[in-house]
Amino acid sequence: DTAVSQTPKYLVTQMGNDKSIKCEQNLGHDTMYWYKQDSKKFLKIMFSYNNKELIINETVPNRFSPKSPDKAHLNLHINSLELGDSAVYFCASSQDRASGGTDTQYFGPGTRLTVL
Amino acid sequence: SQQGEEDPQALSIQEGENATMNCSYKTSINNLQWYRQNSGRGLVHLILIRSNEREKHSGRLRVTLDTSKKSSSLLITASRAADTASYFCAAAGNKLTFGGGTRVLVKP
Repeated sequence: DTAVSQTPKYLVTQMGNDKSIKCEQNLGHDTMYWYKQDSKKFLKIMFSYNNKELIINETVPNRFSPKSPDKAHLNLHINSLELGDSAVYFCASSQDRASGGTDTQYFGPGTRLTVL
Repeated sequence: SQQGEEDPQALSIQEGENATMNCSYKTSINNLQWYRQNSGRGLVHLILIRSNEREKHSGRLRVTLDTSKKSSSLLITASRAADTASYFCAAAGNKLTFGGGTRVLVKP
């Protein structure tokens, strides 16, 4: 069984559109994350949620809105897509029970977003 | 600027050789972690070394940590073609901060 899954795997869309990426983990973890990996492979945290509560919001434009309906799901909605949003987005989870993110993280397979 | 700089950026070796990569970070940490990323895939956790540890082994992996120099190294011994991947260090403070990665190519 896949521990952390994301859909879709590929997303190609036009500038200005709105899109969502879904993430689910079946590990029973309390904390989930969204990361952005750019074309140079730099991986940067965007958000983290602990038990459905937003813990980290790393200077991400407010066009990006995470939503956690329950602690097993963390979805990412992006409004008014821009060319610079093209990247690979990774969801991850960890067992961290507090606001710290120091435990081992388990990553999803990634969603490659291409904005034309 | 990126915390967790890695060196070298790329490494090409023959199967059976050892691969060593280094990582530096900037702030205090609880632990330091290493991850592997195969092309087109997600990151996979390899090993975690706590801030009060100096060296740790796991199979063919050896990690060192020098908190006074804020640096870590990952050694892969007797490399195999399947070790071809990008390797990332991640400094764990209140969040994971990743380095830029080292791309390792192991030639058969």
